Amino acid sequence: AQKVTQAQTEISVVEKEDVTLDCVYETRDTTYYLFWYKQPPSGELVFLIRRNSFDEQNEISGRYSWNFQKSTSSFNFTITASQVVDSAVYFCALRTYSGGGADGLTFGKGTHLIIQP
Amino acid sequence: DGGITQSPKYLFRKEGQNVTLSCEQNLNHDAMYWYRQDPGQGLRLIYYSQIVNDFQKGDIAEGYSVSREKKESFPLTVTSAQKNPTAFYLCASRAGGFTEAFFGQGTRLTVV
Repeated sequence: AQKVTQAQTEISVVEKEDVTLDCVYETRDTTYYLFWYKQPPSGELVFLIRRNSFDEQNEISGRYSWNFQKSTSSFNFTITASQVVDSAVYFCALRTYSGGGADGLTFGKGTHLIIQP
Repeated sequence: DGGITQSPKYLFRKEGQNVTLSCEQNLNHDAMYWYRQDPGQGLRLIYYSQIVNDFQKGDIAEGYSVSREKKESFPLTVTSAQKNPTAFYLCASRAGGFTEAFFGQGTRLTVV
């Protein structure tokens, strides 16, 4: 069985601060993919990034960066110089080759990020 | 524009009624999914379909039914057997393999 843990239920920071959202996953599979999604107040989940288990390079996209470490089973997401528009719920998700018996993504419970002006 | 359309955005159901949530995609994706989201919870998989005329139960299928008669459409019926249907429902689709899923804007269902 697979599991995704986002221990931070809610984070509140002041605009322009850097913030890191933690994601820890569990799987016995050696082939898997990790994802981050953003859910703004409108409700739609917006895809941010996909990372496969064989690629441990960190990725940077503008103010967003992701740190994937297989040794600690973590796939953390950092927002640099946060902005009010970053306020949303962020979900980490896992998909394995075996699917764990059911297709689809295994989601964490999400981290509610609040950026205060 | 390609995407996933869910309707209605808000839906109210009386006790004992069945209601159907619509999900249409024009992305030519083979796989489609229904998730349920409750406050403070992650997304839980209700049903999924990897091909037309075939679908599989997810983790919380009880009280729900689906059909997949067309590639573009994957409607979800919330039956009266679902004892706690008030939730936010999200439909998703993806091309296959390990590609990312794309989501609709969701339907908020409330039992009145």
